[in-house]
Amino acid sequence: AQKVTQAQTEISVVEKEDVTLDCVYETRDTTYYLFWYKQPPSGELVFLIRRNSFDEQNEISGRYSWNFQKSTSSFNFTITASQVVDSAVYFCALSETRWGYGGSQGNLIFGKGTKLSVKP
Amino acid sequence: ETGVTQTPRHLVMGMTNKKSLKCEQHLGHNAMYWYKQSAKKPLELMFVYNFKEQTENNSVPSRFSPECPNSSHLFLHLHTLQPEDSALYLCASSLGVTGTVNTGELFFGEGSRLTVL
Repeated sequence: AQKVTQAQTEISVVEKEDVTLDCVYETRDTTYYLFWYKQPPSGELVFLIRRNSFDEQNEISGRYSWNFQKSTSSFNFTITASQVVDSAVYFCALSETRWGYGGSQGNLIFGKGTKLSVKP
Repeated sequence: ETGVTQTPRHLVMGMTNKKSLKCEQHLGHNAMYWYKQSAKKPLELMFVYNFKEQTENNSVPSRFSPECPNSSHLFLHLHTLQPEDSALYLCASSLGVTGTVNTGELFFGEGSRLTVL
């Protein structure tokens, strides 16, 4: 069965600290996608990144970076020099590739989320 | 502005009421989703519509009834709900294009916060 585990329920840091959010996943699929979403207090989930299972290159986008390690089934997310605006709940998600009528469906399996609080 | 609009943002209803949640997407997508977000639980997929056809019902009780009249609109009809149904209901959309891998990149609305008394 597919599963996403975010062991850290809440993290609190002081502004400008670096913080890493952990994500461990389980899947039997050889083709899958991993995602991070951010949920600010307003409620909507904001897409941050997508990674496919064949691409283990780490990625950096500004203050955000992601470390994908297939050997340990982990897809960790690091925020460098955190800011108060980074305070949110962050979700890691796993998508399998399924084919059906009208095309494929990527159903997302979400972790429980990590609530990040960045204090000034 | 994510391109997915949900109304109402907040809803309080009694267990005998009938109400509906509405979702509209302006992204030209063909797949739409309902997710439920309860406190302390992972987001739970409820329903998926692809090209207006329901392709997934994740064992959702019949007191939740979805409707997708076209690819841009999705409704969730609610009747005789229970207090444990109180949650944030999130609508999302994605490409769902024929013959193309849907990588599952979902665009979410801000959610409808439902309280059942």
